[in-house]
Amino acid sequence: NAGVTQTPKFQVLKTGQSMTLQCAQDMNHEYMSWYRQDPGMGLRLIHYSVGAGITDQGEVPNGYNVSRSTTEDFPLRLLSAAPSQTSVYFCASSSPIAIEQYFGPGTRLTVT
Amino acid sequence: AQTVTQSQPEMSVQEAETVTLSCTYDTSESDYYLFWYKQPPSRQMILVIRQEAYKQQNATENRFSVNFQKAAKSFSLKISDSQLGDAAMYFCAYRTRNKLVFGAGTILRVKS
Repeated sequence: NAGVTQTPKFQVLKTGQSMTLQCAQDMNHEYMSWYRQDPGMGLRLIHYSVGAGITDQGEVPNGYNVSRSTTEDFPLRLLSAAPSQTSVYFCASSSPIAIEQYFGPGTRLTVT
Repeated sequence: AQTVTQSQPEMSVQEAETVTLSCTYDTSESDYYLFWYKQPPSRQMILVIRQEAYKQQNATENRFSVNFQKAAKSFSLKISDSQLGDAAMYFCAYRTRNKLVFGAGTILRVKS
């Protein structure tokens, strides 16, 4: 049982490049979400999904796209990377009746 | 909008002693959940303890306990018999539906 997995663990991008951060879970959780962690600000919600085909914006969605074609996967796309998107990104999942959210190991992204 | 405030950016405790981390939150909801997460240098988010707002009894998990004051919107974490492995960043979080709102975090240092 792998839980929540994220790839890559580290990534360096140049300004203007695009990329996709991958997130997968094997717990059949309906709810999945993406957070970014910045120093002094805790984790902030970027986008979330309550099931396949359903996504919604969180607190800081600008510059990011998501889609949810399967229950297992919830990729986060950076359309045109900017230095302000340098951060650690966490994916999390939970089931509708569960209280706890399960977090992936995180991806450290640097945009130069 | 819900907000979570951790007023202590950094705390220190001597090994085997007790330390309390503070957290206050703001919400108009009556039914919600509160959490403390630990983030060691590995970056993994680890759930330490959770509290359901409808429960008056304070949650306890081994050496970790909370002081939940619903009227004051306060949710502090007490760590007893501190150990070197407790050194980490600690985040207080409030759950609304399937979204978590985090505080900025408190770095806990444990001295031997």
